[in-house]
Amino acid sequence: GAVVSQHPSRVICKSGTSVKIECRSLDFQATTMFWYRQFPKQSLMLMATSNEGSKATYEQGVEKDKFLINHASLTLSTLTVTSAHPEDSSFYICSARDPQGALYEQYFGPGTRLTVT
Amino acid sequence: QKEVEQNSGPLSVPEGAIASLNCTYSDRVSQSFFWYRQYSGKSPELIMSIYSNGDKEDGRFTAQLNKASQYVSLLIRDSQPSDSATYLCASSQGGSEKLVFGKGTKLTVNP
Repeated sequence: GAVVSQHPSRVICKSGTSVKIECRSLDFQATTMFWYRQFPKQSLMLMATSNEGSKATYEQGVEKDKFLINHASLTLSTLTVTSAHPEDSSFYICSARDPQGALYEQYFGPGTRLTVT
Repeated sequence: QKEVEQNSGPLSVPEGAIASLNCTYSDRVSQSFFWYRQYSGKSPELIMSIYSNGDKEDGRFTAQLNKASQYVSLLIRDSQPSDSATYLCASSQGGSEKLVFGKGTKLTVNP
C-alpha cells in the first residue's frame, strides 16, 4: 500500500513557459501532500505543504506566485512552475501522508526531473 | 532552525559486513524518526520508522533511537551491493506534519 505516483517523470521546457506536475495517491486518501525540490548532490528541500481544500503553506523563501499548488481532491495535488527559468531546473518530488498509516510517515512519488532550456 | 545532522560519508563497507549510519537531531520535541534510502536519480524510499527509545528490527535493518542523546542510527547487517545508496535520516518537526531531513550519508557496499 501507500503508493504515490507523479506525472510526468521528465519534462523539458523553454524558458518562460509553465509546467504542471501531478501527484496522486493511488491506494489511499491523502489529506496532506508535500512538495520537495532536490538539486544535484543536495538533500531534499521542502517547498510547501498542501492540504486538501485549502491553500498551501509555503516554506520561507519559496515564491508562492511562481510555484502554484492546488490540492483539489484527496488523491491529487498539482504543482505548476510558472514562467520557468533555467535556475528552476531540478528534481521535484511529492510525498503524501496516509492518515490511516503510522504517525508522520511520508511516502514519496517517483519524482519529476525538470529541465528548463 | 531545527536540524538533522548526518555524516555525509562516503561510507564504504565490504559485502557481508555491518554498515552503521548515524544521525543527530536538534529538536527535543521531535517524536518520530525515519530512515529513507535514495538510489541515485530516484526518489526516497521509506525503510524504517522509529518512535520509542531502543531498537527496532526489520529484516537486515535495525534502527536505534536514544532520545536523551538526540541520536538515531541505522544498522544494516549482511550488507549487499544493492544496499549502495544515500541514506536520509528525518525527524518530525515539533508536532507538525513536516519532516526535517539530513543531507544524507552515501553508502557503498563493495563486492
